[in-house]
Amino acid sequence: DGGITQSPKYLFRKEGQNVTLSCEQNLNHDAMYWYRQDPGQGLRLIYYSQIVNDFQKGDIAEGYSVSREKKESFPLTVTSAQKNPTAFYLCASRIATRRMNTGELFFGEGSRLTVL
Amino acid sequence: GQQVMQIPQYQHVQEGEDFTTYCNSSTTLSNIQWYKQRPGGHPVFLIQLVKSGEVKKQKRLTFQFGEAKKNSSLHITATQTTDVGTYFCAGLHAGGTSYGKLTFGQGTILTVHP
Repeated sequence: DGGITQSPKYLFRKEGQNVTLSCEQNLNHDAMYWYRQDPGQGLRLIYYSQIVNDFQKGDIAEGYSVSREKKESFPLTVTSAQKNPTAFYLCASRIATRRMNTGELFFGEGSRLTVL
Repeated sequence: GQQVMQIPQYQHVQEGEDFTTYCNSSTTLSNIQWYKQRPGGHPVFLIQLVKSGEVKKQKRLTFQFGEAKKNSSLHITATQTTDVGTYFCAGLHAGGTSYGKLTFGQGTILTVHP
């Protein structure tokens, strides 16, 4: 079955530790996205990538880093510089090319990070 | 920066009443998408609107895209308890350095009382 897999589903970490959230897709999608969801604030864009080896900052990139070494993978690192990292993190992907800037987002089931 | 504002934040209705949520973008959008997130779940795609003034229907749901491609609405007729969840709009920005950027509104949390 094709889809997006996020891991881990739940993660607890101590303050000051870096954490990497995994996102893998086998949909052959070009574009991948990371969103953060907090109660009452909807989905806020952290980083996005339209193509391998290229990515752009979203609206709340500070304290986060990403890489896109493979088309299938877009891991997100929550660094110790992120002041309030406890949140629900959603990864998504979609078909996207320069000729076709449309296409729905397919979401993973999310990773819930709690920093103690 | 590019923002998509969505109102209302919350809506409580009695089953059978209608419901509408509105989105407004600060910039012209390439297209707009709507998603539904059930409690405890992840967002699921409902529809995409691309053309100026476009109207699409899915059973009791009606989606509109404004003439200027800056605003959109979702209307549900005769709500049912299965409509409960958070409805998000997401705007895809047209070009330049923000090509491919998909910005979500804050979402409207719909509660339906039986």
